[in-house]
Amino acid sequence: DAKTTQPPSMDCAEGRAANLPCNHSTISGNEYVYWYRQIHSQGPQYIIHGLKNNETNEMASLIITEDRKSSTLILPHATLRDTAVYYCIVRVAFGNEKLTFGTGTRLTIIP
Amino acid sequence: DAGVIQSPRHEVTEMGQEVTLRCKPISGHDYLFWYRQTMMRGLELLIYFNNNVPIDDSGMPEDRFSAKMPNASFSTLKIQPSEPRDSAVYFCASRRQGTYEQYFGPGTRLTVT
Repeated sequence: DAKTTQPPSMDCAEGRAANLPCNHSTISGNEYVYWYRQIHSQGPQYIIHGLKNNETNEMASLIITEDRKSSTLILPHATLRDTAVYYCIVRVAFGNEKLTFGTGTRLTIIP
Repeated sequence: DAGVIQSPRHEVTEMGQEVTLRCKPISGHDYLFWYRQTMMRGLELLIYFNNNVPIDDSGMPEDRFSAKMPNASFSTLKIQPSEPRDSAVYFCASRRQGTYEQYFGPGTRLTVT
């Protein structure tokens, strides 16, 4: 699986959009970008995934650059409950079940 | 939907004792995963099952660790004998075949003294 690079921490004001970047310059053509988050003392939670098109669901939006070497997770209106560690993971969709969690980005929402 | 259920939520035991962690996956899910999380090593996959069959146990640290899945609704992770370095949070997760997301349980916090 391709390696990912994320900033170790970020702050965002409550109500503003939180933009979390991820670099994955060695991504292969059949690898997806997944985002999970882990709120303190809880299990990781799936947020969103994408291959090359931008994706949006009820939780977030995922913007993938045209060359697929980086992506941004957007939480449109951050709340205090979005304070968590966010993990960007790159892997093939099926056939390799391993989710390799790096160190992630610790996002703190400021009141 | 009750989600993935793990028990116990907390376990404190003495070195050398046997520890058994339990997991009930979401009904209808075909894959079951066991992860371990520590400050030093982060979140790492130990083993996963597909249709109750162990597929990849390369993450199991050593022979003291064993995992079973006797049926589609139950799995155990056993450590015998336990050591202080096994202290961690152990997560179970499950996934339905053909879908992308893994659903994680609340975890079991294990402390070995």
